[in-house]
Amino acid sequence: QSVLTQPPSASGSPGQRVSISCSGGSSNIGSHTVNWYQQVPGTAPKLLIYRNNQRPSGVPDRFSGSKSGTSASLAISGLQSEDEAYYYCAAWDDSLTGRVFGGGTKLTVL
Amino acid sequence: EVQLVESGGDLVQPGGSLKLSCAASGFTFSTYAMSWVRQAPGKGLEWVTGLGNLGVNTYYADSVRGRFTISRDNSKNTLYLQMNSLRVEDTAVYYCAKEIVPGALNGMDVWGQGTTVTVSS
Repeated sequence: QSVLTQPPSASGSPGQRVSISCSGGSSNIGSHTVNWYQQVPGTAPKLLIYRNNQRPSGVPDRFSGSKSGTSASLAISGLQSEDEAYYYCAAWDDSLTGRVFGGGTKLTVL
Repeated sequence: EVQLVESGGDLVQPGGSLKLSCAASGFTFSTYAMSWVRQAPGKGLEWVTGLGNLGVNTYYADSVRGRFTISRDNSKNTLYLQMNSLRVEDTAVYYCAKEIVPGALNGMDVWGQGTTVTVSS
Protein backbone atom coordinates (compact mmCIF):
# COMPACT_ATOMS: atom_id res chain seq x y z
CA GLN A 1 0.00 0.00 0.00
CA SER A 2 1.52 3.29 -1.15
CA VAL A 3 1.85 6.38 1.01
CA LEU A 4 0.53 8.48 -1.89
CA THR A 5 -2.83 7.38 -3.29
CA GLN A 6 -3.59 7.43 -7.00
CA PRO A 7 -6.51 5.94 -8.91
CA PRO A 8 -5.38 2.69 -10.57
CA SER A 9 -6.75 3.68 -13.94
CA ALA A 10 -7.93 6.59 -16.06
CA SER A 11 -9.05 6.92 -19.64
CA GLY A 12 -9.99 9.42 -22.28
CA SER A 13 -10.49 9.83 -26.00
CA PRO A 14 -8.03 11.57 -28.29
CA GLY A 15 -8.24 15.33 -27.92
CA GLN A 16 -9.90 15.18 -24.51
CA ARG A 17 -8.54 16.41 -21.21
CA VAL A 18 -7.88 13.97 -18.38
CA SER A 19 -6.81 14.53 -14.82
CA ILE A 20 -5.03 12.17 -12.43
CA SER A 21 -5.14 12.77 -8.69
CA CYS A 22 -2.56 12.07 -6.01
CA SER A 23 -3.56 12.21 -2.35
CA GLY A 24 -1.10 12.31 0.52
CA GLY A 25 -0.71 13.82 3.95
CA SER A 26 0.88 16.59 5.94
CA SER A 27 4.26 14.90 6.07
CA ASN A 28 4.63 14.60 2.31
CA ILE A 29 2.52 16.58 -0.16
CA GLY A 30 1.44 18.97 2.56
CA SER A 31 5.05 19.94 3.22
CA HIS A 32 6.94 19.28 -0.01
CA THR A 33 6.74 19.71 -3.74
CA VAL A 34 5.31 17.04 -6.01
CA ASN A 35 6.82 15.37 -9.09
CA TRP A 36 5.05 13.46 -11.81
CA TYR A 37 6.56 10.74 -13.98
CA GLN A 38 5.41 8.97 -17.12
CA GLN A 39 6.44 5.40 -17.80
CA VAL A 40 5.78 3.40 -20.92
CA PRO A 41 6.10 -0.31 -20.04
CA GLY A 42 9.58 -1.64 -20.68
CA THR A 43 11.20 1.78 -20.57
CA ALA A 44 12.64 4.04 -17.88
CA PRO A 45 10.40 6.65 -16.26
CA LYS A 46 10.36 10.19 -17.61
CA LEU A 47 10.00 13.32 -15.47
CA LEU A 48 6.95 15.32 -16.53
CA ILE A 49 6.48 17.80 -13.68
CA TYR A 50 8.70 18.96 -10.82
CA ARG A 51 8.14 21.52 -8.06
CA ASN A 52 4.35 20.95 -8.39
CA ASN A 53 3.91 22.64 -11.75
CA GLN A 54 7.25 23.06 -13.52
CA ARG A 55 7.93 21.26 -16.79
CA PRO A 56 11.44 20.11 -17.70
CA SER A 57 12.72 21.17 -21.07
CA GLY A 58 11.10 19.16 -23.84
CA VAL A 59 7.89 18.27 -22.01
CA PRO A 60 4.87 19.56 -23.98
CA ASP A 61 2.68 22.19 -22.33
CA ARG A 62 -0.24 19.77 -22.69
CA PHE A 63 1.00 18.43 -19.37
CA SER A 64 0.35 20.54 -16.29
CA GLY A 65 0.54 20.01 -12.54
CA SER A 66 -1.12 21.57 -9.55
CA LYS A 67 -1.15 21.15 -5.80
CA SER A 68 -3.57 22.11 -3.06
CA GLY A 69 -3.05 21.19 0.56
CA THR A 70 -2.27 17.49 0.75
CA SER A 71 -3.35 16.63 -2.78
CA ALA A 72 -1.90 17.12 -6.23
CA SER A 73 -3.14 16.64 -9.74
CA LEU A 74 -1.72 16.04 -13.20
CA ALA A 75 -3.74 17.24 -16.15
CA ILE A 76 -3.20 16.20 -19.74
CA SER A 77 -4.98 18.18 -22.41
CA GLY A 78 -5.33 17.33 -26.08
CA LEU A 79 -4.91 13.64 -25.29
CA GLN A 80 -2.84 11.70 -27.82
CA SER A 81 -2.39 7.98 -28.37
CA GLU A 82 1.26 8.23 -27.29
CA ASP A 83 0.12 9.44 -23.87
CA GLU A 84 -0.99 5.91 -23.07
CA ALA A 85 1.31 4.96 -20.20
CA TYR A 86 1.59 4.69 -16.43
CA TYR A 87 1.77 7.90 -14.42
CA TYR A 88 3.31 8.21 -10.97
CA CYS A 89 3.34 11.04 -8.45
CA ALA A 90 6.15 11.39 -5.90
CA ALA A 91 7.11 13.60 -2.99
CA TRP A 92 9.49 13.71 -0.07
CA ASP A 93 8.10 12.40 3.22
CA ASP A 94 9.37 13.80 6.52
CA SER A 95 8.07 10.90 8.61
CA LEU A 96 9.88 8.33 6.49
CA THR A 97 12.83 10.61 5.70
CA GLY A 98 12.65 9.49 2.13
CA ARG A 99 10.93 9.91 -1.18
CA VAL A 100 7.60 8.16 -1.72
CA PHE A 101 5.77 7.27 -4.92
CA GLY A 102 2.11 6.81 -5.60
CA GLY A 103 0.96 3.39 -6.74
CA GLY A 104 0.66 4.56 -10.33
CA THR A 105 -2.23 5.22 -12.69
CA LYS A 106 -2.61 3.42 -15.98
CA LEU A 107 -3.88 5.84 -18.60
CA THR A 108 -5.72 4.34 -21.55
CA VAL A 109 -6.42 6.38 -24.66
CA LEU A 110 -9.65 5.04 -26.10
CA GLU B 1 24.70 13.82 -24.17
CA VAL B 2 23.57 13.42 -20.56
CA GLN B 3 23.64 9.72 -19.77
CA LEU B 4 23.49 7.22 -16.93
CA VAL B 5 24.52 3.61 -17.46
CA GLU B 6 23.90 1.01 -14.76
CA SER B 7 25.73 -2.27 -14.44
CA GLY B 8 26.19 -5.10 -11.98
CA GLY B 9 22.77 -6.72 -11.98
CA ASP B 10 22.80 -10.48 -11.65
CA LEU B 11 21.15 -13.58 -10.24
CA VAL B 12 22.04 -14.01 -6.58
CA GLN B 13 20.91 -16.34 -3.82
CA PRO B 14 18.93 -15.10 -0.81
CA GLY B 15 21.31 -13.74 1.79
CA GLY B 16 23.89 -12.87 -0.83
CA SER B 17 25.44 -9.56 -1.82
CA LEU B 18 25.71 -7.53 -5.00
CA LYS B 19 27.14 -4.14 -5.93
CA LEU B 20 25.56 -2.02 -8.63
CA SER B 21 27.34 0.80 -10.44
CA CYS B 22 26.00 3.77 -12.37
CA ALA B 23 28.37 5.62 -14.71
CA ALA B 24 27.41 9.22 -15.39
CA SER B 25 28.43 11.37 -18.32
CA GLY B 26 27.48 14.63 -20.01
CA PHE B 27 26.94 16.69 -16.84
CA THR B 28 28.81 17.86 -13.75
CA PHE B 29 28.19 14.78 -11.64
CA SER B 30 29.48 16.30 -8.40
CA THR B 31 26.79 19.00 -8.49
CA TYR B 32 23.75 16.77 -8.32
CA ALA B 33 22.13 14.50 -5.75
CA MET B 34 21.47 11.01 -7.04
CA SER B 35 19.02 8.22 -6.27
CA TRP B 36 18.32 4.56 -6.88
CA VAL B 37 14.76 3.56 -7.74
CA ARG B 38 13.56 0.01 -8.28
CA GLN B 39 10.62 -1.67 -9.93
CA ALA B 40 9.65 -5.23 -9.09
CA PRO B 41 8.13 -7.30 -11.91
CA GLY B 42 4.64 -6.03 -12.68
CA LYS B 43 4.76 -3.48 -9.85
CA GLY B 44 5.12 0.27 -9.48
CA LEU B 45 8.14 2.43 -8.77
CA GLU B 46 9.82 2.28 -5.36
CA TRP B 47 12.43 4.82 -4.30
CA VAL B 48 15.27 2.92 -2.64
CA THR B 49 17.92 5.42 -1.56
CA GLY B 50 19.33 8.87 -2.26
CA LEU B 51 22.62 10.64 -1.75
CA GLY B 52 23.59 14.30 -1.65
CA ASN B 53 26.01 15.71 -4.19
CA LEU B 54 28.97 15.60 -1.81
CA GLY B 55 28.19 12.09 -0.63
CA VAL B 56 27.55 13.15 2.95
CA ASN B 57 23.76 13.06 3.31
CA THR B 58 22.23 9.65 2.69
CA TYR B 59 18.60 8.54 2.83
CA TYR B 60 17.07 5.07 2.68
CA ALA B 61 13.67 3.47 2.33
CA ASP B 62 12.68 1.45 5.39
CA SER B 63 12.66 -1.70 3.26
CA VAL B 64 16.43 -1.52 2.67
CA ARG B 65 17.81 0.48 5.58
CA GLY B 66 20.63 -1.42 7.27
CA ARG B 67 21.12 -3.75 4.27
CA PHE B 68 21.87 -1.39 1.37
CA THR B 69 24.52 1.33 1.18
CA ILE B 70 24.64 4.11 -1.38
CA SER B 71 27.90 5.85 -2.21
CA ARG B 72 29.53 7.87 -4.96
CA ASP B 73 32.96 8.62 -6.34
CA ASN B 74 32.83 12.08 -7.84
CA SER B 75 36.33 11.65 -9.29
CA LYS B 76 35.03 8.71 -11.33
CA ASN B 77 31.53 10.13 -12.01
CA THR B 78 30.07 6.94 -10.61
CA LEU B 79 27.26 6.08 -8.21
CA TYR B 80 27.17 2.78 -6.35
CA LEU B 81 24.68 0.63 -4.49
CA GLN B 82 26.04 -2.07 -2.21
CA MET B 83 23.29 -4.59 -1.47
CA ASN B 84 23.75 -7.09 1.36
CA SER B 85 21.47 -9.69 2.93
CA LEU B 86 19.43 -9.79 -0.25
CA ARG B 87 15.88 -11.08 -0.10
CA VAL B 88 13.56 -12.52 -2.73
CA GLU B 89 11.51 -9.31 -2.50
CA ASP B 90 14.54 -7.28 -3.63
CA THR B 91 14.11 -8.76 -7.10
CA ALA B 92 13.59 -5.80 -9.42
CA VAL B 93 14.94 -3.60 -12.15
CA TYR B 94 17.17 -1.02 -10.47
CA TYR B 95 17.43 2.45 -12.00
CA CYS B 96 19.85 5.18 -11.04
CA ALA B 97 18.54 8.70 -11.50
CA LYS B 98 19.83 12.28 -11.38
CA GLU B 99 18.04 15.14 -9.63
CA ILE B 100 16.96 18.01 -11.88
CA VAL B 101 18.04 20.81 -9.55
CA PRO B 102 21.66 21.02 -8.33
CA GLY B 103 22.01 20.20 -4.66
CA ALA B 104 18.30 19.58 -4.12
CA LEU B 105 15.72 16.79 -4.29
CA ASN B 106 13.07 18.21 -6.62
CA GLY B 107 12.60 15.49 -9.20
CA MET B 108 14.66 13.00 -11.19
CA ASP B 109 15.14 14.13 -14.77
CA VAL B 110 17.70 11.67 -16.10
CA TRP B 111 17.38 7.91 -15.68
CA GLY B 112 19.53 5.00 -16.68
CA GLN B 113 18.24 2.05 -18.67
CA GLY B 114 18.07 -0.12 -15.56
CA THR B 115 19.88 -3.25 -14.41
CA THR B 116 18.08 -6.41 -13.31
CA VAL B 117 18.64 -7.99 -9.92
CA THR B 118 17.11 -11.40 -9.34
CA VAL B 119 17.23 -12.95 -5.90
CA SER B 120 16.38 -16.62 -6.04
CA SER B 121 17.65 -19.99 -4.86
